[in-house]
Amino acid sequence: KQEVTQIPAALSVPEGENLVLNCSFTDSAIYNLQWFRQDPGKGLTSLLLIQSSQREQTSGRLNASLDKSSGRSTLYIAASQPGDSATYLCAVKLTSGTYKYIFGTGTRLKVLA
Amino acid sequence: DAGITQSPRHKVTETGTPVTLRCHQTENHRYMYWYRQDPGHGLRLIHYSYGVKDTDKGEVSDGYSVSRSKTEDFLLTLESATSSQTSVYFCAISDGAQETQYFGPGTRLLVL
Repeated sequence: KQEVTQIPAALSVPEGENLVLNCSFTDSAIYNLQWFRQDPGKGLTSLLLIQSSQREQTSGRLNASLDKSSGRSTLYIAASQPGDSATYLCAVKLTSGTYKYIFGTGTRLKVLA
Repeated sequence: DAGITQSPRHKVTETGTPVTLRCHQTENHRYMYWYRQDPGHGLRLIHYSYGVKDTDKGEVSDGYSVSRSKTEDFLLTLESATSSQTSVYFCAISDGAQETQYFGPGTRLLVL
């Protein structure tokens, strides 16, 4: 059974710091992996999606990498800002033939001004 | 933002009553999903739909049913609400081609 883990559960950093959020999954047979942001009381906003054949995706100050063989993905946030404070979740889509996504429990990030 | 709305946004109900939550999309996406989000469990898939009248169960489907009679609407019904179904419910859509999931604003349900 696929399990997705995000460690740490919470993280506080000073403004301007570069940081890395981690996502681990137990079964490397994934179709894709997606990173989301969730603000308190809100829905999830898609940040980046990496297909299983890709190694990384970039959007602005965000860079997500994928290493299927080791069961890991990282979300790199450059020059963090207080507006980046939110919970970040990763989700893996199981291999084709199913449309199910398995979510991690998220990392709650606080960027201090 | 993807055009996804959920109704109601907040609901308080009593144990044993049926409850229906609605998800409406204006994106004409083929795939629609219902999740629940609970502290310590993250998001868990309840049911999903891969077309009109085509639905399948997720990992926590007991006590829930769904219907999709039109592309734009996906209904989630709690047949007889229980306190364990107190949660935040999210609807999501994807077009399949790019696989990106887009989420609605959520419905907070409290079962007393």
